[in-house]
Amino acid sequence: AQSVTQLGSHVSVSEGALVLLRCNYSSSVPPYLFWYVQYPNQGLQLLLKYTSAATLVKGINGFEAEFKKSETSFHLTKPSAHMSDAAEYFCAVRSGSARQLTFGSGTQLTVLP
Amino acid sequence: DTAVSQTPKYLVTQMGNDKSIKCEQNLGHDTMYWYKQDSKKFLKIMFSYNNKELIINETVPNRFSPKSPDKAHLNLHINSLELGDSAVYFCASSDGGGGSYNEQFFGPGTRLTVL
Repeated sequence: AQSVTQLGSHVSVSEGALVLLRCNYSSSVPPYLFWYVQYPNQGLQLLLKYTSAATLVKGINGFEAEFKKSETSFHLTKPSAHMSDAAEYFCAVRSGSARQLTFGSGTQLTVLP
Repeated sequence: DTAVSQTPKYLVTQMGNDKSIKCEQNLGHDTMYWYKQDSKKFLKIMFSYNNKELIINETVPNRFSPKSPDKAHLNLHINSLELGDSAVYFCASSDGGGGSYNEQFFGPGTRLTVL
């Protein structure tokens, strides 16, 4: 079984501040982990993915995430928030031979001027 | 060059009607999916097809019937629409349906409103 928990359904940061969006997963086998972003009235777009090649994964738009097996976490970070980062962010997990992604409940990021 | 396209983008209809949503991908992928996103933004898989074969069929009402005429298309037909069917429906595709770490590419979504 696989599951994802995103702590904090809403996160607000000031422009230029650090962005930290939390994701914890549950998986009985080594997982594949993904972060997607959804801008208003649009579909989901992949930010980055972890496939066991490296624990620190860099993605698009300056985002990165670190896989920590001991903490079963895959938190998303960005050093300096831009107004354009305001969106809904989803963490997702796919375990082993599982055929489907399981998504977290999402985190709405607001960037304050 | 839209990778995953859906039509229509908006669909407003009355309870009891039958409607279809179409999805097409030009990425050459062999696996396609339908997701439902509710008003709280929660995303849930409904169906998945790999090479036109149904491989995921979550607990959805029988009123929902996916159809895949070929690898590039996965349509969703909904009979006897109910108020609770109102949601945004996303189509997605990926390369590899089992155990692959390849990401899924999403369409822009179809916002269905049942009155």
